Amino acid sequence: DQQVKQNSPSLSVQEGRISILNCDYTNSMFDYFLWYKKYPAEGPTFLISISSIKDKNEDGRFTVFLNKSAKHLSLHIVPSQPGDSAVYFCAAPDISGNTGKLIFGQGTTLQVKP
Amino acid sequence: DAMVIQNPRYQVTQFGKPVTLSCSQTLNHNVMYWYQQKSSQAPKLLFHYYDKDFNNEADTPDNFQSRRPNTSFCFLDIRSPGLGDAAMYLCATSRDIGSLGQPQHFGDGTRLSIL
Repeated sequence: DQQVKQNSPSLSVQEGRISILNCDYTNSMFDYFLWYKKYPAEGPTFLISISSIKDKNEDGRFTVFLNKSAKHLSLHIVPSQPGDSAVYFCAAPDISGNTGKLIFGQGTTLQVKP
Repeated sequence: DAMVIQNPRYQVTQFGKPVTLSCSQTLNHNVMYWYQQKSSQAPKLLFHYYDKDFNNEADTPDNFQSRRPNTSFCFLDIRSPGLGDAAMYLCATSRDIGSLGQPQHFGDGTRLSIL
């Protein structure tokens, strides 16, 4: 079973505060996770990734945390800016076959209020 | 500096009338993917090409076909579009396939509407 789940369809935060987007997965064999950001009428844009051998990866205002025992990852955006308002997808590469296909969560719509 | 370009951005076709969506890339990547995304759902892979090797997902309807005449271009053909095929179609590329891999680079998608 390979599933990636984002249980919060939406999140609203104030500019300057922290945004925390959550993602859960079912297969402990996933070894790599990615976050994509998607603006309306545009394709997903790669944001940040993390390998399963790490528990944290940071890139500027964006940090991804991985908790393997809980099969949970989260994306932290600090400080949040209005331009961060978008849909955020977490994804993991399929491990069942050599396709490289990404298994996506359903997405979380982030709104950052000025 | 677009790297994965999809044309057209919006396509309207009639029920049952064949339609072709286009994707081109300037990245010289080996792998090209086609995803279907319906409203409020996760993108779902239809098929992919590794170089010239075509790989179809088991649950992709026969109505959907693809062609990759060269490294740069890949086409999605829908032979007889039904109302249920209305969706955003996303093309993506990656340099190679591997679980530690490289992120896929997406185009901006083609929004397909069926009348």
